[in-house]
Amino acid sequence: DTEVTQTPKHLVMGMTNKKSLKCEQHMGHRAMYWYKQKAKKPPELMFVYSYEKLSINESVPSRFSPECPNSSLLNLHLHALQPEDSALYLCASSQVLTGSTYTQYFGPGTRLTVL
Amino acid sequence: SQKIEQNSEALNIQEGKTATLTCNYTNYSPAYLQWYRQDPGRGPVFLLLIRENEKEKRKERLKVTFDTTLKQSLFHITASQPADSATYLCARPYNYGQNFVFGPGTRLSVLP
Repeated sequence: DTEVTQTPKHLVMGMTNKKSLKCEQHMGHRAMYWYKQKAKKPPELMFVYSYEKLSINESVPSRFSPECPNSSLLNLHLHALQPEDSALYLCASSQVLTGSTYTQYFGPGTRLTVL
Repeated sequence: SQKIEQNSEALNIQEGKTATLTCNYTNYSPAYLQWYRQDPGRGPVFLLLIRENEKEKRKERLKVTFDTTLKQSLFHITASQPADSATYLCARPYNYGQNFVFGPGTRLSVLP
């Protein structure tokens, strides 16, 4: 199974709502990532979890709150978002092997619209 | 900071021709470069990885080269088909390989 799944596929929320994005993988990968992608732009890294611990936060506003409950699941909690946060949110996973290469497997993404 | 540039935002070619996409990087050579394909509204899909000590890598109709002197990788699709139409992203690792920075992508259109 080389699949990363994300739910929901689409999400529309108001600026006062609280919602969560979910990501799951069963490849035994111990690194998981959240990316944000705007239209016609490349993915931009938001967070990296390694062995269920947050290892990288690329200066993301606190209205985005990641969580890694176990090695297969990754959540992104959303609160008080702005319209400019509307984007495709991508989850990815990879093995964590020192001195090796890190091919990332991406999910299909959640299309988020903030009204 | 590590930057990746891809030579053109969009590339149109005729079916059956070879598409060549360019990826240029700055600063030190990465240990490897990766190429991904992304269809509209979908996540990127890994295609090929080439290490800095490899000159060339092939997979079916795909070929990637890595020139550390020019700080450049070329991505070729031979005998292109309309189904190859997509955005192709180049990516380099940083932070000991845990992170990647992606190039802006080249949107390839193969015309029948």
